[in-house]
Amino acid sequence: GEDVEQSLFLSVREGDSSVINCTYTDSSSTYLYWYKQEPGAGLQLLTYIFSNMDMKQDQRLTVLLNKKDKHLSLRIADTQTGDSAIYFCAESIQGGSYIPTFGRGTSLIVHP
Amino acid sequence: NAGVTQTPKFQVLKTGQSMTLQCAQDMNHNSMYWYRQDPGMGLRLIYYSASEGTTDKGEVPNGYNVSRLNKREFSLRLESAAPSQTSVYFCASSPDRSSYEQYFGPGTRLTVT
Repeated sequence: GEDVEQSLFLSVREGDSSVINCTYTDSSSTYLYWYKQEPGAGLQLLTYIFSNMDMKQDQRLTVLLNKKDKHLSLRIADTQTGDSAIYFCAESIQGGSYIPTFGRGTSLIVHP
Repeated sequence: NAGVTQTPKFQVLKTGQSMTLQCAQDMNHNSMYWYRQDPGMGLRLIYYSASEGTTDKGEVPNGYNVSRLNKREFSLRLESAAPSQTSVYFCASSPDRSSYEQYFGPGTRLTVT
């Protein structure tokens, strides 16, 4: 089965908050990431959280981690049209190569 | 710094043809990776090179070969292209294999007819 799962699409109105959700299966995950892919471009690391943290905030971005439910979320406050992109959740495991396992990506569409 | 560069950006092949995708990074990174991205499938690791002189298989290595030419360059070769290899290919690099951040190139869009 898939190690990292996320919904495929999310549509929001400009100015609203966006919440992108992700579930993962490996309880030994050490790092959990959010990557952003803009149209026609490669992935860019947006933010990450260590597994010993519950929350991380970085300007408009808030990452919440629920280790019990193996649930990760990314909240984007005051979503702008420039935030339209595909957002990938990923996990990696300490002691291994740290190569991330990616989810399928959530396409965020921001309407004016 | 250019970061991670990939050539070509687009390529169309006929079934059975061969080609090499080129990747180079100028960040002095030790580790490099090749992924493929298919619609609705996320990224899947094809091969990686933890350091110069080493290569290892990833999740989907069949039909591909790689060469870590030097510290900067990591190429991906399709010896006999198949329609199932139609995909977008991304190269990435990281300072070393235990680094949490990977830096991605812009991708090569490959179509095999």
